[in-house]
Amino acid sequence: EVQLVESGGGLVQPGRSLRLSCAASGFTFDDYAMHWVRQAPGKGLEWVSGISWNSGSTGYADSVKGRFTISRDNAKNSLYLQMNSLRAEDTALYYCAKGEVSQHWGQGTLVTVSS
Amino acid sequence: EIVMTQSPATLSVSPGERATLSCRASQSVSSNLAWYQQKPGQAPRLLIYGASTRATGIPARFSGSGSGTEFTLTISSLQSEDFAVYYCQQYNNWSRTFGQGTKLEIK
Repeated sequence: EVQLVESGGGLVQPGRSLRLSCAASGFTFDDYAMHWVRQAPGKGLEWVSGISWNSGSTGYADSVKGRFTISRDNAKNSLYLQMNSLRAEDTALYYCAKGEVSQHWGQGTLVTVSS
Repeated sequence: EIVMTQSPATLSVSPGERATLSCRASQSVSSNLAWYQQKPGQAPRLLIYGASTRATGIPARFSGSGSGTEFTLTISSLQSEDFAVYYCQQYNNWSRTFGQGTKLEIK
C-alpha cells in the first residue's frame, strides 16, 4: 500500500525557516517524480514544487521561487521542502504527492506563519 | 506561468443529471491535463489524466475531453458522492498550475 506521511509543519514567525519532510513507502520511490502542493485555509490547491526521480529537474511556483528548495533522498525514501523567508501567505496545509500525475497524496502537514 | 481558468465557479445540479465543467489554459498544454476531485477534509483524488484517461478505480460516468487550451470534465449521471470541488491541473512543464476549482453542489 502506498503511504506518504508529511511532517515538519508548525507555527513559525514571518521571515523564519521551516523544513518539511515526506516519508514514502509501499512503492519504488526512485521510480517517481514527486511534488509539493499546498492549500491555504478555505482556498484552492496550489502547486508549489516538483522534483524528478533523480533530482535532475526541479520546478517551483513563481510565488515560492528563490525562497523554497525541494530535494529528495532516494536512499531514505524521503522528500523534503526547505522553506526560507516565510510569509503569512505561505500559511497552508502542505501535501506531498507521488508521480507525474498524482494518484497518491499524503494527508498534509499544516504550516502557520504568524507573529 | 500558465494560468488555468475554470468555469463556472459553482455549479448546481440535481442528482441523476449531467454536469459539465470547463477548464481553459492561457497557452497550449497539449493533452497534459488532469482533473482532481476534493471533498472537505480529504486529500485530492485523481480522476482523469492525459485529458481523457480515467485513473484507476474511477467510474465510467466521469469522462474528460479536450486538448490544447480547452478542456471539459463531464459527469454523466450525478451520484450523491460526486458533490465536491473539482480542479484541473496542467502538467505540460515543470511549472505546473491548478485552476481555481469548480464547486459542484446539489440543486
